[in-house]
Amino acid sequence: EAGVTQFPSHSVIEKGQTVTLRCDPISGHDNLYWYRRVMGKEIKFLLHFVKESKQDESGMPNNRFLAERTGGTYSTLKVQPAELEDSGVYFCASSRPGTFSYEQYFGPGTRLTVT
Amino acid sequence: AQSVSQHNHHVILSEAASLELGCNYSYGGTVNLFWYVQYPGQHLQLLLKYFSGDPLVKGIKGFEAEFIKSKFSFNLRKPSVQWSDTAEYFCAVWRNAGNMLTFGGGTRLMVKP
Repeated sequence: EAGVTQFPSHSVIEKGQTVTLRCDPISGHDNLYWYRRVMGKEIKFLLHFVKESKQDESGMPNNRFLAERTGGTYSTLKVQPAELEDSGVYFCASSRPGTFSYEQYFGPGTRLTVT
Repeated sequence: AQSVSQHNHHVILSEAASLELGCNYSYGGTVNLFWYVQYPGQHLQLLLKYFSGDPLVKGIKGFEAEFIKSKFSFNLRKPSVQWSDTAEYFCAVWRNAGNMLTFGGGTRLMVKP
């Protein structure tokens, strides 16, 4: 079974530019989560999809962040325009539906550096 | 607001030393608790989890954790660490109401050979 994959692994962009991060969850996992770790601090929840629907986006920092999950498969997280404080590692995780939704499998993360 | 605290940011041990990493949470309701590990260059992996029943849970690679409800704690232990345990360890709480994990700040463990 393939794990959660994320692309790219690293991204370096200038302030004001746009970046799109991609996450491919494990096949059959309806739940997809985005988390972020900034500057060695705690990993923080951004949002949660169930299939293509946003279940909870309470952790999204502001309207510069847009997440989509068209067709309920892969997800993208777009940052536009990027700011310096957006630098960090963005993790994606997926889990099966129902009672197993807590058992999350994480991707390797995308390290975003905004200069 | 719910929070998860990990007391040690960096721990350095020699091989064969015993390990205990502290984790406290502030949520008052029913909790599900996790320890994740991230080895250098690898994904976050689940070490162990607690949902109910025996408060002493055993995970992979000889790790165990004890849930003490009265202390709101879920400390991670290993009797004898190995160099290969060098990694960053994260305590996390599952919020049923929110369907998300809330993480502590992480503890970087370095084991000297």
